[in-house]
Amino acid sequence: QVQLVQSGAEVKKPGASVKVSCKASGYTFNSYTIHWVRQAPGQRLEWMGWIDAGNGNTKYSQRFQGRVTVTRDTSASTAYMELSSLRSEDTALYYCARDWYYGDSLFQYWGQGTLVTVSS
Amino acid sequence: ENVLTQSPGTLSLSPGERATLSCRASQSVSSSYLAWYQQKPGQAPRLLIYGASSRATGIPDRFSGSGSGTDFTLTISRLEPEDFAVYSCQQYGSSPLTFGGGTKVEIK
Repeated sequence: QVQLVQSGAEVKKPGASVKVSCKASGYTFNSYTIHWVRQAPGQRLEWMGWIDAGNGNTKYSQRFQGRVTVTRDTSASTAYMELSSLRSEDTALYYCARDWYYGDSLFQYWGQGTLVTVSS
Repeated sequence: ENVLTQSPGTLSLSPGERATLSCRASQSVSSSYLAWYQQKPGQAPRLLIYGASSRATGIPDRFSGSGSGTDFTLTISRLEPEDFAVYSCQQYGSSPLTFGGGTKVEIK
């Protein structure tokens, strides 16, 4: 069965960077897209960007352009999301999610979430 | 970006009752690329509906979606105890992908 397992919670200081991993199993990693979605406390879900695990192409929300980088390691079936210049407003639960069918941007499979806390 | 506004913010109903949730888009959602998700505390969202009206795999038929253009509705015909949760809509027809603010369906 499809599983996405994310790295553990992080506490960072303002201005620092954080890198969250998402290890996939149960399917052919290269054949799908991985998205990153975050949810700040009491806020709506917010899409950050995606990576085509096959060719490495990426697309980011303009809101995070310049601060977010999504990469993947096909040999490890793992996607990564790095967010830089952290501020308190970046405190949120970060999810990776896989599309249902390649490129459909429907989030059928989700990781368990990684809590990132930004605090001085 | 296409801003999604959900109403009401909270719906207080009893098991067995019908729930009607609304999602309004600031721009027309192309090809009815509108999805609904259910989220329970401490869990990731679960895909319920896609293409405005198609149920995802394993979703009970008490869940139905309708609408087009800018106005969409999720209906739960008879609420079961496990249906009390937060429901969010998502448009995937244009970038950036966006979500609504959610409707909490709570037990009255």
